[in-house]
Amino acid sequence: DTEVTQTPKHLVMGMTNKKSLKCEQHMGHRAMYWYKQKAKKPPELMFVYSYEKLSINESVPSRFSPECPNSSLLNLHLHALQPEDSALYLCASRSIGESRTEAFFGQGTRLTVV
Amino acid sequence: GENVEQHPSTLSVQEGDSAVIKCTYSDSASNYFPWYKQELGKGPQLIIDIRSNVGEKKDQRIAVTLNKTAKHFSLHITETQPEDSAVYFCAPKGAVSGGYQKVTFGTGTKLQVIP
Repeated sequence: DTEVTQTPKHLVMGMTNKKSLKCEQHMGHRAMYWYKQKAKKPPELMFVYSYEKLSINESVPSRFSPECPNSSLLNLHLHALQPEDSALYLCASRSIGESRTEAFFGQGTRLTVV
Repeated sequence: GENVEQHPSTLSVQEGDSAVIKCTYSDSASNYFPWYKQELGKGPQLIIDIRSNVGEKKDQRIAVTLNKTAKHFSLHITETQPEDSAVYFCAPKGAVSGGYQKVTFGTGTKLQVIP
């Protein structure tokens, strides 16, 4: 199984809503990432989890709250988002400590904030 | 932070022709050089990668060449097919900072293969 699964695929939410994005992988990867990708732009790193601990927060606003409940799951909790937060949110995972350092990406969640 | 640039930003080729995309980076500590393909509505997928101790790597129609001295690496696609149409990103892996080896995505190249 070399897949990273993200749910939902599409999400429309109001600015007062609370929602969560989910990401799951069963490759035994101990590094997991959230990226944000706007149209026609490269992915931008938001958060990095290493061994289920948050190791990098790229100055992301607190309305985005990540959570890593176990080594296979990564969540991104959303609250009071703004329309400019509409984007494709990508989850990725990677093995730590191996010579091959490929990142596996999920298909993304297309988020629209109205 | 690392500066990563790709050229060209868009590329149109006839089916069967070759395509070359160049990625220039600034971090001399970079030691892993992947290329990702992103199709519409999907996440990026690795298509080929190279490590810093190798100058060239080939996988069927796809090859990557690395020039560490000049700090650039290139993606070569031969005999292009319509299904090669996508956005391609380089993502060199740089120096370790705060226990994390930072990955910076290039600006992206939209490749269109015309049948």
